[in-house]
Amino acid sequence: GENVEQHPSTLSVQEGDSAVIKCTYSDSASNYFPWYKQELGKRPQLIIDIRSNVGEKKDQRIAVTLNKTAKHFSLHITETQPEDSAVYFCAASRPGNTGKLIFGQGTTLQVKP
Amino acid sequence: EAQVTQNPRYLITVTGKKLTVTCSQNMNHEYMSWYRQDPGLGLRQIYYSMNVEVTDKGDVPEGYKVSRKEKRNFPLILESPSPNQTSLYFCAIGHSYNEQFFGPGTRLTVL
Repeated sequence: GENVEQHPSTLSVQEGDSAVIKCTYSDSASNYFPWYKQELGKRPQLIIDIRSNVGEKKDQRIAVTLNKTAKHFSLHITETQPEDSAVYFCAASRPGNTGKLIFGQGTTLQVKP
Repeated sequence: EAQVTQNPRYLITVTGKKLTVTCSQNMNHEYMSWYRQDPGLGLRQIYYSMNVEVTDKGDVPEGYKVSRKEKRNFPLILESPSPNQTSLYFCAIGHSYNEQFFGPGTRLTVL
């Protein structure tokens, strides 16, 4: 069945450095790829998403890239700040009106001041 | 502002004692979904509903039931809870599966 693999599981960077989290999906028909951020003790929140007809999307310091041929997509955070420390989840949806969203296992990002 | 309410927020119960976790929204969104979050496993979808009286299984539906009798409510029912259902549960809403807004979570412990 549909599967989303996320790497790395933990990532530690110095403040100001960039961070990259990668996800690979199995269903080539997937067409929507959101990223969620979950701060400690809080709910996941959508931070950026991309659809299969777009290769890259940016929003200030965060960007997401999609490679449909290789079936992987990545989250890029530039100029990291301590408040970027959180767990990040990628996800992929099935096409059509199925309502299913498959999440990756999560990446714990630590930004050291 | 989108509001998703879950009750209870914390629950400790015993094996086999039926329980219901409620989820209520004030946004008139068609889509509602339940997830469980476990360390190392991420978020796994239990059930989702595209509209009133329309529900479908996610990836881990065993041991759970849902109903969608009205648009604003989507309760999660555990008929006979077991310890492996100890988890953090999130309800989410949206116009569709896109851009889901999560509730505050319910931490359930089954002894």
